[in-house]
Amino acid sequence: EAGVTQFPSHSVIEKGQTVTLRCDPISGHDNLYWYRRVMGKEIKFLLHFVKESKQDESGMPNNRFLAERTGGTYSTLKVQPAELEDSGVYFCASSLTGMRGANVLTFGAGSRLTVL
Amino acid sequence: ELKVEQNPLFLSMQEGKNYTIYCNYSTTSDRLYWYRQDPGKSLESLFVLLSNGAVKQEGRLMASLDTKARLSTLHITAAVHDLSATYFCAVTLNRDDKIIFGKGTRLHILP
Repeated sequence: EAGVTQFPSHSVIEKGQTVTLRCDPISGHDNLYWYRRVMGKEIKFLLHFVKESKQDESGMPNNRFLAERTGGTYSTLKVQPAELEDSGVYFCASSLTGMRGANVLTFGAGSRLTVL
Repeated sequence: ELKVEQNPLFLSMQEGKNYTIYCNYSTTSDRLYWYRQDPGKSLESLFVLLSNGAVKQEGRLMASLDTKARLSTLHITAAVHDLSATYFCAVTLNRDDKIIFGKGTRLHILP
């Protein structure tokens, strides 16, 4: 079974430019989450999709960030225009809904974003 | 607001030693997760603890949960170099809700 894949693995852009990160969750996983880790800090929640709907976007820092999940499959996270403080590692995770027990997220390897 | 605090944030220890990582959280929860991350890799689920008094063990790692104290521990027994990684504790209020992470404990085991 393919895991959660993220692209690109590393992106270096200048302040003011645009970057789009992509996440392909595990097939059949309706839950899709975006998280971000700034160096030395906690992994911070950004938003949660259930299929194509945004279930919780309380962690999105501002309107420069736009997440989409058209068709309920892969998701994109666009940062426009990027600022220095947007640098960090962006993780995507997916999980099944409606199962008993814990909601165990499967994470991708992350997309490292460096804004110069 | 649910907050998760881990300590220590960094730990360097010799092989063969025992140590415990602590995770405190601020709001009642009965779902606690431990994840491991190797540099440049994804987060790997280690343990899920779902009830007060839950204890799970895998190899040299043992995790426990005390929901009354809002505390989980990750105990390392006779550490080996392969356990060097960053360990994250995470908590959620409800099953499908967002998971809130601590800052992670970077564990460095010296040969």
